Amino acid sequence: SAVISQKPSRDICQRGTSLTIQCQVDSQVTMMFWYRQQPGQSLTLIATANQGSEATYESGFVIDKFPISRPNLTFSTLTVSNMSPEDSSIYLCSVDFRGVGEKLFFGSGTQLSVL
Amino acid sequence: GQQVMQIPQYQHVQEGEDFTTYCNSSTTLSNIQWYKQRPGGHPVFLIQLVKSGEVKKQKRLTFQFGEAKKNSSLHITATQTTDVGTYFCAGRLVAGNNRKLIWGLGTSLAVNP
Repeated sequence: SAVISQKPSRDICQRGTSLTIQCQVDSQVTMMFWYRQQPGQSLTLIATANQGSEATYESGFVIDKFPISRPNLTFSTLTVSNMSPEDSSIYLCSVDFRGVGEKLFFGSGTQLSVL
Repeated sequence: GQQVMQIPQYQHVQEGEDFTTYCNSSTTLSNIQWYKQRPGGHPVFLIQLVKSGEVKKQKRLTFQFGEAKKNSSLHITATQTTDVGTYFCAGRLVAGNNRKLIWGLGTSLAVNP
């Protein structure tokens, strides 16, 4: 398995500000995903980060709120924009190395608290 | 919409007791994955089941996929404190497509030494 580095690991932010989360993989991956996990809850897929094109968002998530970049096959960012306390959650990047629907590997997560 | 129900939500056991968590889907699944998330950690892949009626074992863990490919279970024999964490099932609706993973709510396991 490869190393997935996600940062920051945690942050406390003020309402109305934005935070960009980075996910770096030490090898090229086909599929990268961004998940949200609220405390004690399950995982919710935010979007699929597509290399060189706009991300594919799931129902309930929009690009203006969660802009995503994926400039190459090893790196992606998720921005949480105009934050409110409801955005307090753990954000996880995950990768499917071959893109054939095999197991997902997850970054260590970013714990976000919005005051 | 499609759902994967997972029960129980919480389970406390004494070390050495067995533990089982169950997942049930409202629709037939292509396959199902299981993950473990330690407290404060991230989900870690355990196994994927693909075939109807499939049973796989990993040491003290036994995974089953139902004949109708709508339900699955994870059984841990003789739990240890290292088994503490939340166990998630994730059912795939469409083969080869991780966008179509439907996650269960997880079962949190606490083990008393």
